[in-house]
Amino acid sequence: DVKVTQSSRYLVKRTGEKVFLECVQDMDHENMFWYRQDPGLGLRLIYFSYDVKMKEKGDIPEGYSVSREKKERFSLILESASTNQTSMYLCASSRYLTGQNYGYTFGSGTRLTVV
Amino acid sequence: RKEVEQDPGPFNVPEGATVAFNCTYSNSASQSFFWYRQDCRKEPKLLMSVYSSGNEDGRFTAQLNRASQYISLLIRDSKLSDSATYLCVVNSDSNYQLIWGAGTKLIIKP
Repeated sequence: DVKVTQSSRYLVKRTGEKVFLECVQDMDHENMFWYRQDPGLGLRLIYFSYDVKMKEKGDIPEGYSVSREKKERFSLILESASTNQTSMYLCASSRYLTGQNYGYTFGSGTRLTVV
Repeated sequence: RKEVEQDPGPFNVPEGATVAFNCTYSNSASQSFFWYRQDCRKEPKLLMSVYSSGNEDGRFTAQLNRASQYISLLIRDSKLSDSATYLCVVNSDSNYQLIWGAGTKLIIKP
């Protein structure tokens, strides 16, 4: 089974701190994604990457950046944490072959609270 | 119009009953369709892919209607453990990206 591991289940950070969320997958997947999920708003895409050193903005990239230096690792960075970034953060990875999407596998999530 | 729309529920259903929910999507060129299940405060997990001919996995049946642009999920003989939020997912134009519905909450009551 594909395993996607997020470094922390729960984090509490102070306003203005720089926050790093790490995600590692072990199945050589090309694509990796960062989402946040808030009650009533569903999953919202922050950034994604379809290859090493490649990144694309999702629907809500403001206040975030990402890094993908190795294929298996995709990091989400909150440059200066704010209280409105309190949320559940979900990392996902997927294999992709031309014309076929095999769905995503998610990590167990990081529940971030910014105080 | 949202790209993927679902009735948020909750659907309150007695144990043992059959329940069905639909999801509509806006992109007529979509090729990949999925149902995911998400338990409270957990990550979404793939329940089943949805194929053009329809597919069944135990008590779960998924159907695709391309003409009307909706997919459906039918759960027979529902169990208490089926209580969860069910997410409808459809690929975007790029195909490697997926578009997520907001989910339908299902509560199975004893």
